[in-house]
Amino acid sequence: EIVLTQSPGTLSLSPGERATLSCRASQSVSSISSNHLAWYQQKPGQAPRLLIYGASSRATDIPDRFSGSGSGTDFTLTISRLEPEDFVMYYCQQYGSSLYTFGQGTKLEIK
Amino acid sequence: QLQLQESGPGLVKPSETLSLACTVSGGSIRSTSYYWGWIRQPPGKGLEWIGSIFYGGNTYYSPSLKSRVTISVDTSKNQFSLRWSSMTAADAAVYYCARHNLHCSTTSCTPGWFDPWGQGTLVTVSS
Repeated sequence: EIVLTQSPGTLSLSPGERATLSCRASQSVSSISSNHLAWYQQKPGQAPRLLIYGASSRATDIPDRFSGSGSGTDFTLTISRLEPEDFVMYYCQQYGSSLYTFGQGTKLEIK
Repeated sequence: QLQLQESGPGLVKPSETLSLACTVSGGSIRSTSYYWGWIRQPPGKGLEWIGSIFYGGNTYYSPSLKSRVTISVDTSKNQFSLRWSSMTAADAAVYYCARHNLHCSTTSCTPGWFDPWGQGTLVTVSS
């Protein structure tokens, strides 16, 4: 099983600041042609929403302030200018193996 | 726009079997581009993938859950289902269904990311 470790567990920032969230895999989730990692946002009481797939491709209707990067075992979700609605939970998910796993989550809170 | 909706009992007794259904609307479950998956989230905790199914019946399961889980598909109802035997208090969670999108290399296509998701259904286990 590929274990995903997200850091930090909680990130305290102010609106307008830049957020950098990390996701580290216990083994590589990349192939020669692609990176098998997705990011989700979850608001309280709601289902997760896909933000990023393939480590860096934004999903439909996702604002361009959200971007993803990384390869191999280290991945990053960056939110360039935080809006009030961005202060929620974020999860990464790998599909490099057929045992699909999620990270434990990063909570983004208002400082 | 594709939508998914979970349905089933909100309360089950310990040792009973949970049966949930996910109805797909706005598109056909008979697509060669997607699998259809179940994910759960215990209250206040993270996400756990349970398993996924192709409309033709091929399945992937989480090895740690496989002995207690059966996922099936009914293309006539545009629906897929989850059966979970021997429920315990530890199985209390919000259960989500989601479309499991395929990603393709030069040689094969396998399930990747989940999008969209149903709203989820809370299942409580209590006598």
